[in-house]
Amino acid sequence: DAKTTQPNSMESNEEEPVHLPCNHSTISGTDYIHWYRQLPSQGPEYVIHGLTSNVNNRMASLAIAEDRKSSTLILHRATLRDAAVYYCILRGSGGSNYKLTFGKGTLLTVNP
Amino acid sequence: DAGITQSPRHKVTETGTPVTLRCHQTENHRYMYWYRQDPGHGLRLIHYSYGVKDTDKGEVSDGYSVSRSKTEDFLLTLESATSSQTSVYFCAISGQGGSYEQYFGPGTRLTVT
Repeated sequence: DAKTTQPNSMESNEEEPVHLPCNHSTISGTDYIHWYRQLPSQGPEYVIHGLTSNVNNRMASLAIAEDRKSSTLILHRATLRDAAVYYCILRGSGGSNYKLTFGKGTLLTVNP
Repeated sequence: DAGITQSPRHKVTETGTPVTLRCHQTENHRYMYWYRQDPGHGLRLIHYSYGVKDTDKGEVSDGYSVSRSKTEDFLLTLESATSSQTSVYFCAISGQGGSYEQYFGPGTRLTVT
């Protein structure tokens, strides 16, 4: 499985934007970039995903580098509820590549 | 929220007893997964299913078996529970293809004494 690299932790202030980076230098052409987050004592929650173009949804934006070797999850205005572990995962096509392989993710702390 | 439930939500059992956890979905998704999450390890895939009666092993499948006789149900069985299987178990569902997001259930906290 293609691997991703994320910082272990990041800190932000409430109502400020947060940029969570992810490196995936071995990404293949058919891999989708997925982001999930896990709030304390809850199951993982889907955030956003993309292939080549930048993506926006109600939760966040995903900026994908032109060479696809890195991406950034953008939370436009962090709230206390956004404090969670954020996982950047590559999801391939075909057979067992549909499974998600979770790394350690980035622990985001949001200060009031 | 995706229609995915897990039962039971909490269970305490003794070493050596069989345990079955159930995952039920109402989304008609083809793929279903069982993960376990332990401190310091993150989520690890136990088994997954890509259709009725079609299952395959994940990275930590020893001591676990699964069955899927209907699209909506995916069962995880610990044939003879051990203390090392004390964990939080998450079920997940997804459509086919890398572009589909995966939805997770609320989890089952299993304690083996």
